[in-house]
Amino acid sequence: AAGVIQSPRHLIKEKRETATLKCYPIPRHDTVYWYQQGPGQDPQFLISFYEKMQSDKGSIPDRFSAQQFSDYHSELNMSSLELGDSALYFCASSSGPGLAGGEQYFGPGTRLTVT
Amino acid sequence: GEDVEQSLFLSVREGDSSVINCTYTDSSSTYLYWYKQEPGAGLQLLTYIFSNMDMKQDQRLTVLLNKKDKHLSLRIADTQTGDSAIYFCAERAPGGYNKLIFGAGTRLAVHP
Repeated sequence: AAGVIQSPRHLIKEKRETATLKCYPIPRHDTVYWYQQGPGQDPQFLISFYEKMQSDKGSIPDRFSAQQFSDYHSELNMSSLELGDSALYFCASSSGPGLAGGEQYFGPGTRLTVT
Repeated sequence: GEDVEQSLFLSVREGDSSVINCTYTDSSSTYLYWYKQEPGAGLQLLTYIFSNMDMKQDQRLTVLLNKKDKHLSLRIADTQTGDSAIYFCAERAPGGYNKLIFGAGTRLAVHP
């Protein structure tokens, strides 16, 4: 079965650079979520989109922005990168954002290293 | 407030049962989840339980929910070395948009 696809899988950037992470949800899933997992930490919710509109916002820095496109894929744009942004970034998708969307499937993650 | 707590480490012998515990604080949580993460890998959805259920069984996995005590457990029967991983408990935050609040994760070590 098709899963959530994330690209790139690994990314190395320098401080103050920008990065773009991409997420392709499971086919027919209309909701996308972004999470950040620091080393040895639990995943922290950043932001989510339903039907191309932002549906919820968590602890996402102002330097980050995201959007969902008409084909439901999503991109997380990160600017002025800091060392503390080094983490594993997960995208997850589900069918529907509300009570009907019980199952949330995660992609393999993008490991971002900021030097 | 939203908070999920788990013990950080569990060690079991191969073939024994493992029980991973989790407590959550938001009584309005509708879904509670268990995810597995192997080293360097993504989060694999193992199972989830709806808040109106007490128990859910899926092959070697049994989830028990005590809603009164806000306690969730995951039992893995006949634990194998391939079960060694970090297990995250997560609750679905109330509000209708499905974001997950994770616990710190329990590292399960299975030894012969």
